[in-house]
Amino acid sequence: EAGVTQFPSHSVIEKGQTVTLRCDPISGHDNLYWYRRVMGKEIKFLLHFVKESKQDESGMPNNRFLAERTGGTYSTLKVQPAELEDSGVYFCASSQERIQGRVRGYTFGSGTRLTVV
Amino acid sequence: GNSVTQMEGPVTLSEEAFLTINCTYTATGYPSLFWYVQYPGEGLQLLLKATKADDKGSNKGFEATYRKETTSFHLEKGSVQVSDSAVYFCALSVGSQGNLIFGKGTKLSVKP
Repeated sequence: EAGVTQFPSHSVIEKGQTVTLRCDPISGHDNLYWYRRVMGKEIKFLLHFVKESKQDESGMPNNRFLAERTGGTYSTLKVQPAELEDSGVYFCASSQERIQGRVRGYTFGSGTRLTVV
Repeated sequence: GNSVTQMEGPVTLSEEAFLTINCTYTATGYPSLFWYVQYPGEGLQLLLKATKADDKGSNKGFEATYRKETTSFHLEKGSVQVSDSAVYFCALSVGSQGNLIFGKGTKLSVKP
């Protein structure tokens, strides 16, 4: 099966501009997650979709970040306007439905490296 | 709260050396524990996991044992190879949501 696909793989934008990251999960995976790793720090959870619904967005840093998953398929993460501290690697992951209350193992994408200058 | 602490890198070893990367955690519930690996230019891959105390996860010669008494999940490999050069992340998951909490990552470089 195809893996989780993210694009672009790299993006360099100026402060104040808008960037949209895209994630295509594995077909049939209801759960989709976004994570972010800022340079030298932990990978941090941003949000979790179950199909098209936001299950948990407690990790979204502020209202400059907007995530969508129309139709429960691919997801986009928009940053508007971008700030310098938004630079980092944005990972997407997907998994199948919960089994016995626990989500099955994740499959991660390769990430999008965002640089805001 | 929930958190993961892993040893700072980078770690540089010679081929066939023994590897240990320490990982300790704090969790409000009963977590599942994971090691993920990121090879250069690739995404995060699950290396191994353990879901209950005293479980040992193993894969590709790597092992880690879930130690509830010491809240640890140290990663070990008896003989590393150049191809093991990567960044290793310890992580935990608590509850049914499946959200992962990661450590900062440890970069391993193995020299021939």
